[in-house]
Amino acid sequence: QVQLVESGGGLVKPGGSLRLSCAASGFSFSDYYMSWIRQAPGKGLEWVSSLNSFGSATFYADSVRGRFTISRDNTKKSLYLQMNSLRTEDTAVYYCARSFYDSDNRAFDIWGRGTMVTVSS
Amino acid sequence: QTVVTQEPSLTVSPGGTVTLTCASSTGAVTDSYYPNWFQQKPGQAPRPLIYSTSKKHSWTPTRFSGSLLGGKAALTVSGVQPEDEAEYFCLLYYGGPRFGEGTKLTVL
Repeated sequence: QVQLVESGGGLVKPGGSLRLSCAASGFSFSDYYMSWIRQAPGKGLEWVSSLNSFGSATFYADSVRGRFTISRDNTKKSLYLQMNSLRTEDTAVYYCARSFYDSDNRAFDIWGRGTMVTVSS
Repeated sequence: QTVVTQEPSLTVSPGGTVTLTCASSTGAVTDSYYPNWFQQKPGQAPRPLIYSTSKKHSWTPTRFSGSLLGGKAALTVSGVQPEDEAEYFCLLYYGGPRFGEGTKLTVL
């Protein structure tokens, strides 16, 4: 079945780095935009980053631009998020989501279960 | 800073109808914002319900519908079930996607 599984979360000190991964299965990964969305404990959702199906166009929220890098490996059906210069406010569950964009539609239609990132000294 | 506003909380009786709304600080919400709606229960990932204002995913129950209402995006739940108690988030697309703060729906 269609599935996204995130990994790589954990506890890291402020200023540290972490790399998240998202493994896709059950669909043609290389046909879709992919995104990361996060949710701080007890808070709402925040879009973090997206990239197109080829990985040639990337988009970032202002809060992470210059610190986070999104990438993908279509041969491995995997999405990544390299997070550098982490701050306490980056503490959140990070979700991987399949995205589709066309002239008539925008959506995040498939979500993983998330991986927790805790930034604390 | 663009703000997407939702009702913080709503209460509805089982079998009733409730409408949640999603407003934009930039003005009226239109189809060009591609409104999306998500349901989230405690400890679970968000579950997409509606995209592009009114389109349903294959798994969306028929009692959920999306529309534009009075300059806002709206999610209507008709014939509310106890299992509909959850947090509901809307999403609007500007230059980048922006979520609302969520509406906690209580079924009582």
